[in-house]
Amino acid sequence: EIVMTQSPATLSLSPGEIATLSCRASQSVSSNLAWYQQKPGQAPRLLIYRASTRATGIPARFSGSGSETEFTLTISSLQSEDFAVYYCHQYNNWPRGTFGQGTKVEMK
Amino acid sequence: QLQLQESGPGLVKPSETLSLTCTVSGDSITSRSSYWGWIRQPPGKGLEWIGSFIYSGSTYYNPSLQSRVRISVDTSKNQFSLSLSSVTAADTAVYYCARQYNWNYFDLWGQGTMVTVSS
Repeated sequence: EIVMTQSPATLSLSPGEIATLSCRASQSVSSNLAWYQQKPGQAPRLLIYRASTRATGIPARFSGSGSETEFTLTISSLQSEDFAVYYCHQYNNWPRGTFGQGTKVEMK
Repeated sequence: QLQLQESGPGLVKPSETLSLTCTVSGDSITSRSSYWGWIRQPPGKGLEWIGSFIYSGSTYYNPSLQSRVRISVDTSKNQFSLSLSSVTAADTAVYYCARQYNWNYFDLWGQGTMVTVSS
């Protein structure tokens, strides 16, 4: 099983700041990685797929980068609605994908 | 507009079988290009893939659950169902159904349903 490790567990930032979230795979997943946002009491929402492609309707302040084992989700200027938990998800060994444990972006 | 809605009992006794249904509207679960799956999330924890299928082809399960899980389809109601047997407290979670793009990422999710395993 491919293990996905996200860091940090919690990120404390203020609105307007840049958020940088990391996701590391235990082996190469090529560019087969997605990012999801989850707010309390809600289902996850797809933000990014194929490591860097924004899903439909996702604002341009969200960007993804990386390949193989190292990936980054960047939120260029945090808005109040961006405070949430973010998960990475590898689907390289489809369909048996695995998720990271999540990074919580909280307001400082 | 595609929508998914989970339904089922919110409380299941240990050793019994958990049964949930996902009702799909706005797309046909028999479509040759549509893949569907179940994911769960224990309280305060991360996401775990349970299983996925395409109606015209294969069904895959998480190896850690394979001996206890089954996904079935009711085409007359455009629904698919999850059955998880011999449940324990560790199966307490929010269960989501979702559309999966080509066995890859999940692009649309249901709102989720909480299932508690307790006597």
